[in-house]
Amino acid sequence: GAVVSQHPSRVICKSGTSVKIECRSLDFQATTMFWYRQFPKQSLMLMATSNEGSKATYEQGVEKDKFLINHASLTLSTLTVTSAHPEDSSFYICSARDLQETQYFGPGTRLLVL
Amino acid sequence: AQSVSQHNHHVILSEAASLELGCNYSYGGTVNLFWYVQYPGQHLQLLLKYFSGDPLVKGIKGFEAEFIKSKFSFNLRKPSVQWSDTAEYFCAVNPSGTYKYIFGTGTRLKVLA
Repeated sequence: GAVVSQHPSRVICKSGTSVKIECRSLDFQATTMFWYRQFPKQSLMLMATSNEGSKATYEQGVEKDKFLINHASLTLSTLTVTSAHPEDSSFYICSARDLQETQYFGPGTRLLVL
Repeated sequence: AQSVSQHNHHVILSEAASLELGCNYSYGGTVNLFWYVQYPGQHLQLLLKYFSGDPLVKGIKGFEAEFIKSKFSFNLRKPSVQWSDTAEYFCAVNPSGTYKYIFGTGTRLKVLA
């Protein structure tokens, strides 16, 4: 089946620093990738849709200057949390959409901002 | 607004019991429907999906789901659960013509051995 990887799996950083999270589709090309945030005991909240070679589309209420998304190739999208604050601590999950319009999810990245 | 409801937040069953998890959505147009499972400590995995055709869809690990258009429902079923089915189950709806998935809040299933 389709495999999506994320790196790192967990990261701890100091407040005010930036953190980059990578999302890769390992065995298929994904023109569209998605970034979600999952709060404890809650569902996934879509943050943005990342399209290869173009600007990401952000959901309402998501700060595009804080959560920078780059989708430079058909297999890689990155999310950079800039000037992280403790309230940005969360579980970030990416997914990649295949040609059959199915999303496959990465294992997630747990971010803790001190 | 489009939404997906999973009314059962927590379900506890004994092994060999039958399972049915509800999923209802609010969207009047054509949709693609999905069930994902998240085992403890693991990532979301696709259980099954419905795009068109036979409304009864069979997925992996003995799961199936039935799309009832008139009821805007896509309930997940398994005739006999196992302890290893303990996980969180998410229903997702993709309005046709869009990329977005709208997720339900999830149902935590615990199967007692």
